[in-house]
Amino acid sequence: GAVVSQHPSRVICKSGTSVKIECRSLDFQATTMFWYRQFPKQSLMLMATSNEGSKATYEQGVEKDKFLINHASLTLSTLTVTSAHPEDSSFYICSARAAERLSNQPQHFGDGTRLSIL
Amino acid sequence: KQEVTQIPAALSVPEGENLVLNCSFTDSAIYNLQWFRQDPGKGLTSLLLIQSSQREQTSGRLNASLDKSSGRSTLYIAASQPGDSATYLCAPGGGDMRFGAGTRLTVKP
Repeated sequence: GAVVSQHPSRVICKSGTSVKIECRSLDFQATTMFWYRQFPKQSLMLMATSNEGSKATYEQGVEKDKFLINHASLTLSTLTVTSAHPEDSSFYICSARAAERLSNQPQHFGDGTRLSIL
Repeated sequence: KQEVTQIPAALSVPEGENLVLNCSFTDSAIYNLQWFRQDPGKGLTSLLLIQSSQREQTSGRLNASLDKSSGRSTLYIAASQPGDSATYLCAPGGGDMRFGAGTRLTVKP
């Protein structure tokens, strides 16, 4: 069964709206969570890495004031797309990883959120 | 920053063929490497995880190898089936996990 739950699976909203996406680890403590975005027919691009209790580390070119990430607990990270515009329409996927014994810990992925801004 | 390259970008084969997907990466300081498949419009399905100390990992008709020092991994699919049609993604796992562009596989009946 799924070990990472991502919600909502799909969002359609008007330009200018802020949208929050939740990512929860269901049966493990995720000290690190990752957020990716994927444009049609392209691969996943890492947006940011977040560690519980500290500020997220954003990839070059990703606006931290546009994409607010909160990782306040070991089981929940949120991505808020602020004042979304049509160019923010994309598939957003979160991933979570436990801290222990990194070599044999896979990254678990949510099912993704398809965001469409009208 | 880890750079991941996957070859070929696309592959179309008749059902029953054995095939090899290639992945290369620039930073060998990894904990592990995962192979995923992604169906159109869907999320990722993890196929195999190879730890950095391992050379290969098998699951059913899938076999993945890892040569960490040379920055290469291959995914071997035996006796391909139409249901194997998907995009296959390679992702070395280090401090973070980055993806290649993937190989889009089509298996024709």
